[in-house]
Amino acid sequence: ETGVTQTPRHLVMGMTNKKSLKCEQHLGHNAMYWYKQSAKKPLELMFVYNFKEQTENNSVPSRFSPECPNSSHLFLHLHTLQPEDSALYLCASSRTGEDTEAFFGQGTRLTVV
Amino acid sequence: AQKVTQAQTEISVVEKEDVTLDCVYETRDTTYYLFWYKQPPSGELVFLIRRNSFDEQNEISGRYSWNFQKSTSSFNFTITASQVVDSAVYFCALSEAAEYGNKLVFGAGTILRVKS
Repeated sequence: ETGVTQTPRHLVMGMTNKKSLKCEQHLGHNAMYWYKQSAKKPLELMFVYNFKEQTENNSVPSRFSPECPNSSHLFLHLHTLQPEDSALYLCASSRTGEDTEAFFGQGTRLTVV
Repeated sequence: AQKVTQAQTEISVVEKEDVTLDCVYETRDTTYYLFWYKQPPSGELVFLIRRNSFDEQNEISGRYSWNFQKSTSSFNFTITASQVVDSAVYFCALSEAAEYGNKLVFGAGTILRVKS
């Protein structure tokens, strides 16, 4: 069983649509992350949740709205996106603490048309 | 600000050749962590290694080896006797010490193509 699972794997949405990305981790971690990977930029950290509380928001536009109902699940709600938001969105999780690596899901390939 | 530079955008080698992927980092922290991740075509980032700033000992794991040199702020990754399955994008990342886990700053990645 994959440690971090993301659904859907691919998503095409119009600029007026509302959709959500889902992430689930089975590793018993308490920190969860959203990263954005686009063709023109390095991997960018978007949000961090620690014990369900948001601890980091890297100046992400409000059209991206994260939700973390519990330590195992993380959502990214999308609305009125722009074509430049097309990217691979990666979810990750880790233990809390300094010496810990993050484990990533396979990502959702998002295309905004 | 923290920064990770992977100057090699793309490297092509023939199977069985050795290849070194370069990583140079910048940080003002005295405690930090360095990582290497592999991203195969399937998309997920696969963790390869973590090294903390106080441990400069080089590490070898099978065909993989890592050379951490604090004096030059480098954390290079060598694959010995490369194989086609090594073809992927490799990312070097830097993390500052944080209570909640790690806040990773990634390099731009190096595309490695291993040809048979």
